[in-house]
Amino acid sequence: AQSVAQPEDQVNVAEGNPLTVKCTYSVSGNPYLFWYVQYPNRGLQFLLKYITGDNLVKGSYGFEAEFNKSQTSFHLKKPSALVSDSALYFCAVRGDTGRRALTFGSGTRLQVQP
Amino acid sequence: GAGVSQSPSNKVTEKGKDVELRCDPISGHTALYWYRQSLGQGLEFLIYFQGNSAPDKSGLPSDRFSAERTGGSVSTLTIQRTQQEDSAVYLCASSPPGQSVGAFFGQGTRLTVV
Repeated sequence: AQSVAQPEDQVNVAEGNPLTVKCTYSVSGNPYLFWYVQYPNRGLQFLLKYITGDNLVKGSYGFEAEFNKSQTSFHLKKPSALVSDSALYFCAVRGDTGRRALTFGSGTRLQVQP
Repeated sequence: GAGVSQSPSNKVTEKGKDVELRCDPISGHTALYWYRQSLGQGLEFLIYFQGNSAPDKSGLPSDRFSAERTGGSVSTLTIQRTQQEDSAVYLCASSPPGQSVGAFFGQGTRLTVV
């Protein structure tokens, strides 16, 4: 079965501090991993993806994510958080075999305090 | 159009009525997804269309839910005999050929069953 776990419902961080939003996955075959962000009353926007290659992936708005195959994780990171980063973040996975639909995690609400 | 278009953006219906939600994917995208998002919650997978393959209906919560995709383009999600627990935002997404590509989301249809 294909699944994604985002263990934190909410992450609080002060502006200027580094942030990490955690994601672990389970999938058949090699994983394709994605992060999306949802701002209030807005649709989901693509942030970044891991397909193959470098384990550190850089995406939009200064975000990056680190793929760790042994830990089956794909944590989202940013060196210096902004208040405007406050939003709902979703991790998603698709395997290269078996079920091809994207499976999403339950989401993590990021709150950046000024 | 430039993005995934969903209509209506908002729908209020009485319990027991049928509703149809429409999704126009991005031109050329072969894959189309429907997800459901309850207030502040994660994305619940409903159904996935990929080209001419049989759709993956494994996420449909009951036989009151059905979806079709005509001509490999526009999709309609139908909910029969709506219940209050059907109230949610219904999100449609599409993606081009290739497993390594993420999905592009529409703005969603907010369904309220009263």
